[in-house]
Amino acid sequence: GENVEQHPSTLSVQEGDSAVIKCTYSDSASNYFPWYKQELGKRPQLIIDIRSNVGEKKDQRIAVTLNKTAKHFSLHITETQPEDSAVYFCAEPGRGFQKLVFGTGTRLLVSP
Amino acid sequence: DSGVTQTPKHLITATGQRVTLRCSPRSGDLSVYWYQQSLDQGLQFLIQYYNGEERAKGNILERFSAQQFPDLHSELNLSSLELGDSALYFCASSLMGQGYNEQFFGPGTRLTVL
Repeated sequence: GENVEQHPSTLSVQEGDSAVIKCTYSDSASNYFPWYKQELGKRPQLIIDIRSNVGEKKDQRIAVTLNKTAKHFSLHITETQPEDSAVYFCAEPGRGFQKLVFGTGTRLLVSP
Repeated sequence: DSGVTQTPKHLITATGQRVTLRCSPRSGDLSVYWYQQSLDQGLQFLIQYYNGEERAKGNILERFSAQQFPDLHSELNLSSLELGDSALYFCASSLMGQGYNEQFFGPGTRLTVL
């Protein structure tokens, strides 16, 4: 079935710490893994994505790693700042690759 | 601003009523997706259209329906509304209809059913 498990559901860190959010997918044929950030009351926005032909992708303070064997991918945020506080969603293409199946979300709180 | 527009921003109505939510995709995008986000919940995929045709269906209730018009805008119709239908409804668009295309989300329509 179509299922993306996301952990943790909530994550509290101090400013400057690192944060890691992990997702596990079920379809070994999945080839695209985006991460979306949703600030309170706002729309989800893509922050980084990775395709299955690479194991890691980095963009300034954020990075995503992919382990195809274990079928999991992770979001890494370094040197966290209060403005990183938001809900983060991972996703993978659903069966037939016609849509995105989203994880349940992680609420990240960065305290000054 | 993602380029995706949704109207109205807020909608308050009563149980049993019917409402229509409207979405205009980014210029050039052919695919439109509808999602429901209840309080403290994730993004539940409802339905996808590509160039006017239904492409994929998620957990969409029979009381809900959607369509995509020749100008590519889409409407989500919700009927016989129940209290539990209160949620934020997002529309997203992408260039093509494949799951590996970035989806751009609109600002959402907040529906409150009283």
